[in-house]
Amino acid sequence: GAVVSQHPSRVICKSGTSVKIECRSLDFQATTMFWYRQFPKQSLMLMATSNEGSKATYEQGVEKDKFLINHASLTLSTLTVTSAHPEDSSFYICSAPAGTSGNNEQFFGPGTRLTVL
Amino acid sequence: GQSLEQPSEVTAVEGAIVQINCTYQTSGFYGLSWYQQHDGGAPTFLSYNALDGLEETGRFSSFLSRSDSYGYLLLQELQMKDSASYFCAYPRGGYQKVTFGTGTKLQVIP
Repeated sequence: GAVVSQHPSRVICKSGTSVKIECRSLDFQATTMFWYRQFPKQSLMLMATSNEGSKATYEQGVEKDKFLINHASLTLSTLTVTSAHPEDSSFYICSAPAGTSGNNEQFFGPGTRLTVL
Repeated sequence: GQSLEQPSEVTAVEGAIVQINCTYQTSGFYGLSWYQQHDGGAPTFLSYNALDGLEETGRFSSFLSRSDSYGYLLLQELQMKDSASYFCAYPRGGYQKVTFGTGTKLQVIP
């Protein structure tokens, strides 16, 4: 199957700083990628849809000015958590659809564990 | 609204069979998927049901009943490595945007 990578895998930052997370599709092109957030023992919550060449679309309740998304190329989407606070500590995961397989499969990156002190 | 409900935890014995249920509410329906996620890892795709009935993939099978807004994942010949969280999910508005269920943590015991 297709491979999606994320970097970094773990990051610890101070409150008020910004953190950038990269999501790359390694062996396929992804015009659309998705960013999820997962708190401990909870499900994955979709934050936003990253669209190559256009603005991201955000889910209700997600602050677009706080979670900046840039889909600069067909293989790279970045999520920047601006002015991070301890409540932003979470597991952030990106995904890309499998394309035309017709089975609704999403390929997920390995996730980024963000800890804000 | 849209929601997918699952039991929070299930425990089963190695070698046994376990069924993980999923009930959903949605205004539009494009099929039901299942994903497995080990602690600290990425979700991995297991199966997809677009139509009613049973889909079998090795030890895993998935069932869908659209009239009952219900599906389940059946795991046979359980192995210790099957201990993980399992999520049902469905696409919103087509194939791409996915909503995940509440998740079921499966613990396989010797």
